[in-house]
Amino acid sequence: DAGVTQSPTHLIKTRGQQVTLRCSPKSGHDTVSWYQQALGQGPQFIFQYYEEEERQRGNFPDRFSGHQFPNYSSELNVNALLLGDSALYLCASSLGTGVYEQYFGPGTRLTVT
Amino acid sequence: AQTVTQSQPEMSVQEAETVTLSCTYDTSESDYYLFWYKQPPSRQMILVIRQEAYKQQNATENRFSVNFQKAAKSFSLKISDSQLGDAAMYFCALGTDKLIFGTGTRLQVFP
Repeated sequence: DAGVTQSPTHLIKTRGQQVTLRCSPKSGHDTVSWYQQALGQGPQFIFQYYEEEERQRGNFPDRFSGHQFPNYSSELNVNALLLGDSALYLCASSLGTGVYEQYFGPGTRLTVT
Repeated sequence: AQTVTQSQPEMSVQEAETVTLSCTYDTSESDYYLFWYKQPPSRQMILVIRQEAYKQQNATENRFSVNFQKAAKSFSLKISDSQLGDAAMYFCALGTDKLIFGTGTRLQVFP
């Protein structure tokens, strides 16, 4: 049973560029949540997708957007990259929108130069 | 505002000894969960233990147990019989409609 997978593992982008990160949820899960973890910090909630719609959003600008596909996989898009967007981006999946049991993926390390 | 505070940036413990990691939180919600997650160098967050706020009994998972003090809004993690594999970052998290994490405690385990 595959757990949560994320791609790519690492990514280097230049300021102003756009990036897309991908997440496949654990088998049987229908909800995907995205988190940003800056160096030395705890993860911060970006948004959550369920039934192909954004259900909740944290305190992140509109440059951060997402999508969920019919197979429950999800993408995180960040436009107009800033140096401060450099972080580990974690995806977590769950069955339903609750926080009771979220399974995390290994993350994508984004470096903006 | 909902917050989670971990006041110990680093802790260390001898193998086979016991260590306690501290966490305080703040929320106005009456229905919530509290979690401890472990993040090893592989980066993947692993759920260690979970506590439902409505339960008075402290959660226990093998060598891991919590001390949940609801009135004090305190949620500490005790690791007994520490093992080298316990070395990692530990994050306390508050769960309402989303997870809110603290800044983490780095645990070192010495042989």
